Amino acid sequence: AQSVAQPEDQVNVAEGNPLTVKCTYSVSGNPYLFWYVQYPNRGLQFLLKYITGDNLVKGSYGFEAEFNKSQTSFHLKKPSALVSDSALYFCAVREMGGATNKLIFGTGTLLAVQP
Amino acid sequence: DSGVTQTPKHLITATGQRVTLRCSPRSGDLSVYWYQQSLDQGLQFLIQYYNGEERAKGNILERFSAQQFPDLHSELNLSSLELGDSALYFCASSASGLSSYEQYFGPGTRLTVT
Repeated sequence: AQSVAQPEDQVNVAEGNPLTVKCTYSVSGNPYLFWYVQYPNRGLQFLLKYITGDNLVKGSYGFEAEFNKSQTSFHLKKPSALVSDSALYFCAVREMGGATNKLIFGTGTLLAVQP
Repeated sequence: DSGVTQTPKHLITATGQRVTLRCSPRSGDLSVYWYQQSLDQGLQFLIQYYNGEERAKGNILERFSAQQFPDLHSELNLSSLELGDSALYFCASSASGLSSYEQYFGPGTRLTVT
């Protein structure tokens, strides 16, 4: 069964510093991977996806993610954090097989950016 | 704004009652997904519809049911409600093209069962 793991419940970073939110995956075959962000009392917003191609994927709001097949990881990164980046971040993988696009989500990582 | 709308935003009801949550997908999207977000279970996939037909089922209780109508809006029906059904319920939609794997989420309906 496909799954993703987010090993950190919370990540703290100072404004202006680079940030990394970690995600590892377990799938059979080639994974389709996603990052979403959830602000308080809001729905999930799509940030970026990896389907195939370049291992470095660029997304919204200056975020990027690096797909690493050998380490089965898909870490979310940003060169310079903003206080407004503080939110809950979810990594997700598309379930493979069948005709569904359903997503399997990690447990989420709370990013706190201190001014 | 994702283009996915959900009503109502908040719902407070008593145990044993039945409620209906409504979702309108983005214009042109044929697929609708329902997810439940709770503190203990996290984000769980419930069910997917594609152009009116059920496409996939996840951890959806028998007390819950859904449908997608010809105008593509969807409803999630929750009956015989229990305290443990209190959660955020999200609807998402996606396009039908081969490269359209990402889903766009609505703002959610917060259900509180008392």
